[in-house]
Amino acid sequence: AQSVTQLDSQVPVFEEAPVELRCNYSSSVSVYLFWYVQYPNQGLQLLLKYLSGSTLVESINGFEAEFNKSQTSFHLRKPSVHISDTAEYFCAVSERNTGNQFYFGTGTSLTVIP
Amino acid sequence: DGGITQSPKYLFRKEGQNVTLSCEQNLNHDAMYWYRQDPGQGLRLIYYSQIVNDFQKGDIAEGYSVSREKKESFPLTVTSAQKNPTAFYLCASSIEIRGEQFFGPGTRLTVL
Repeated sequence: AQSVTQLDSQVPVFEEAPVELRCNYSSSVSVYLFWYVQYPNQGLQLLLKYLSGSTLVESINGFEAEFNKSQTSFHLRKPSVHISDTAEYFCAVSERNTGNQFYFGTGTSLTVIP
Repeated sequence: DGGITQSPKYLFRKEGQNVTLSCEQNLNHDAMYWYRQDPGQGLRLIYYSQIVNDFQKGDIAEGYSVSREKKESFPLTVTSAQKNPTAFYLCASSIEIRGEQFFGPGTRLTVL
């Protein structure tokens, strides 16, 4: 079974500053990787995903994440955050060829300060 | 529009009563899931179903029950055996068990 670690439970950052939200997973087996965003009292929305191919994936609103197989990481970055980026962010992993579950991290609360 | 609906958005019940949360999807997905979310604890898997008439326990199934009689529906019953039922409940679905999950808007259950 996988475990997914999001090292930072809360990340405050000033508007227009860069941000990195960290995600590490436990097993080096072939995986699919996901980042979800959750706004207050709402469900989760997919932000971006890595299935195969280029290790750098991007979202439509300026976020990007890079799959690093040797470090078993999938950190999320944005070069300049907006107030509207304030939300909870969840990293998730599923195993490509085995397993029957989707594993979520405990989430990182991003607060953008004006 | 395709998607997942959960109803109601807010639900209040007295302690000791069973309550059923609705989850419907029109995405033609085989797999469906129920998660519980508490502040600071992320998502915890309650039950999941890979196909109609089949479901498996997740990490915190005690005090909950589900059914999967139709592909598009996966209702969750919170029974009186659940010690701390007050939480935010999220339903999700995916094409297959390891694929991207699509989430409903959630139901916030408060037991008084």
